[in-house]
Amino acid sequence: DAKTTQPPSMDCAEGRAANLPCNHSTISGNEYVYWYRQIHSQGPQYIIHGLKNNETNEMASLIITEDRKSSTLILPHATLRDTAVYYCIARRLNYGGSQGNLIFGKGTKLSVKP
Amino acid sequence: DAGVTQSPTHLIKTRGQQVTLRCSPKSGHDTVSWYQQALGQGPQFIFQYYEEEERQRGNFPDRFSGHQFPNYSSELNVNALLLGDSALYLCASSLVGVQETQYFGPGTRLLVL
Repeated sequence: DAKTTQPPSMDCAEGRAANLPCNHSTISGNEYVYWYRQIHSQGPQYIIHGLKNNETNEMASLIITEDRKSSTLILPHATLRDTAVYYCIARRLNYGGSQGNLIFGKGTKLSVKP
Repeated sequence: DAGVTQSPTHLIKTRGQQVTLRCSPKSGHDTVSWYQQALGQGPQFIFQYYEEEERQRGNFPDRFSGHQFPNYSSELNVNALLLGDSALYLCASSLVGVQETQYFGPGTRLLVL
């Protein structure tokens, strides 16, 4: 699975959009970009994933560059409860076979401030 | 919709002992994966169970073993505990298929003294 690179920490003002970058320059064609977050001492929470098209759900938006070498997770209106470690993961998927498991890095610690 | 549940929430053991952790998958899921998360680190994959068999395994010694039951629930067993086994143990469930998005439980905090 491709390695991902994220900034170790970011700050965001409450109510503003939080834009979390992720670099995955060696990603291959069958690897999806997954985002999870982990609030202190809890289990990771799935946020969103995508292959090459931009994706949006009730939690966030995922913007993937056309060359797929980087992506940005957008929390449109950050709240204090969004303070967490955010993990960007490139995950290999094999159609009809066993799926790649999640390889977590150190993630980005997002601090949302009032 | 019941999410992933794990028991116990916390556990204290001494070196050399054995421990069993339990996981019930999200309703409708058939695959269970286990991860270990040391303090300050991201989770590391231990193994995955599907159809009551170990389907994939990470870089963990044989002291770590598991089991999946016909109702898809799973156990993680660790023998001969070491101080370094102190960690948050996470269970994630998924449904076999094309994307198999994994959903995590709250974890079991194990402290080995």
